[in-house]
Amino acid sequence: DVKVTQSSRYLVKRTGEKVFLECVQDMDHENMFWYRQDPGLGLRLIYFSYDVKMKEKGDIPEGYSVSREKKERFSLILESASTNQTSMYLCASSPPGQGNTEAFFGQGTRLTVV
Amino acid sequence: GENVEQHPSTLSVQEGDSAVIKCTYSDSASNYFPWYKQELGKRPQLIIDIRSNVGEKKDQRIAVTLNKTAKHFSLHITETQPEDSAVYFCAAPTSGTYKYIFGTGTRLKVLA
Repeated sequence: DVKVTQSSRYLVKRTGEKVFLECVQDMDHENMFWYRQDPGLGLRLIYFSYDVKMKEKGDIPEGYSVSREKKERFSLILESASTNQTSMYLCASSPPGQGNTEAFFGQGTRLTVV
Repeated sequence: GENVEQHPSTLSVQEGDSAVIKCTYSDSASNYFPWYKQELGKRPQLIIDIRSNVGEKKDQRIAVTLNKTAKHFSLHITETQPEDSAVYFCAAPTSGTYKYIFGTGTRLKVLA
């Protein structure tokens, strides 16, 4: 069974803190993605990676960075959390190939920045 | 840049009626068009997809149609049931890249 696991279901952080969101997949997928989900705005792509140590900006990368040191793990980093980063964060992975396969999602992390 | 527009944002139908959700994409080279369903509190999951060499695909009560000339594709749900109530997302992954872009979602409510 396909598994994408995010380290936390709920997180509460203070403004200015450095926040790490972790995602692990056990399907040996090359591609991994981070999205944020906000009401009325759908799933917006923050960053993605198509290989270890490779990363590319999505549509809303400002205020975020990522790390992919191992194939199975993709981390999203909020360098200095702000209240406008309060959101649901979803990680996904997909098999190799350029955007022509199913994406598998984690269960999501609801982050609240106070 | 690449863009996927999805309509409507909300849709209410009576149980047993049909529902149609439409997406328009901008990248004419896109060749894969999936639809995802997200139930309340759960992760999005693929329900049906279509590739550009096919005009229509059906799976029981759901179907997807593709019009490459007009650059739009639609999800059709027939004989809707309460368990069809969810948020539905289309996607049009950008060809030639690894970018996977979603529409803004449609909240479907099936009224009993």
